[in-house]
Amino acid sequence: AQTVTQSQPEMSVQEAETVTLSCTYDTSESDYYLFWYKQPPSRQMILVIRQEAYKQQNATENRFSVNFQKAAKSFSLKISDSQLGDAAMYFCALKTSYDKVIFGPGTSLSVIP
Amino acid sequence: DTAVSQTPKYLVTQMGNDKSIKCEQNLGHDTMYWYKQDSKKFLKIMFSYNNKELIINETVPNRFSPKSPDKAHLNLHINSLELGDSAVYFCASSPTGADTGELFFGEGSRLTVL
Repeated sequence: AQTVTQSQPEMSVQEAETVTLSCTYDTSESDYYLFWYKQPPSRQMILVIRQEAYKQQNATENRFSVNFQKAAKSFSLKISDSQLGDAAMYFCALKTSYDKVIFGPGTSLSVIP
Repeated sequence: DTAVSQTPKYLVTQMGNDKSIKCEQNLGHDTMYWYKQDSKKFLKIMFSYNNKELIINETVPNRFSPKSPDKAHLNLHINSLELGDSAVYFCASSPTGADTGELFFGEGSRLTVL
């Protein structure tokens, strides 16, 4: 069975600082995708960044980057130069075969002005 | 144009009633999903359809019945509503085949059962 774990229910960061959100996962498959989604108070789910398991290079999207450690089954998200608009719930997600996407329990990120 | 749209966005009803939530996507995707987000924000997959065919059916009470009249629509009907059904229900779609795996979400439908 596939699982996704986020061990930090809540995190806070000072505006302009850097924060890292943790995610670990478990799957027996070799081919899969990993994602970070953001859910602001508006409740819309927004894709932040994706990583294909076969790619060794860590994905980056502007201020967002990941540290993908395939052997350790770890997929952390780093947010640089944090902004007030980054305050949201962040969900780590795993997609394996059969189009099934499962989500971690989420990390609530607060940004302190 | 909204890519994935759900109606209604808010629904308040009494225990025991039957209600439906509709979802439509104009992205041309083959796969559509229903997710339930509970009060603790936990997102759990309920159903997935690929080109009108049910492919994922998680452990969901029989009171929940999805229907996909075509690949652009996936509706969710709930019978005999219970207090525990109160949640936000998200519809999502994704392309299949050589794709990015990304889910495209609707805005969610908040269901409150009194």
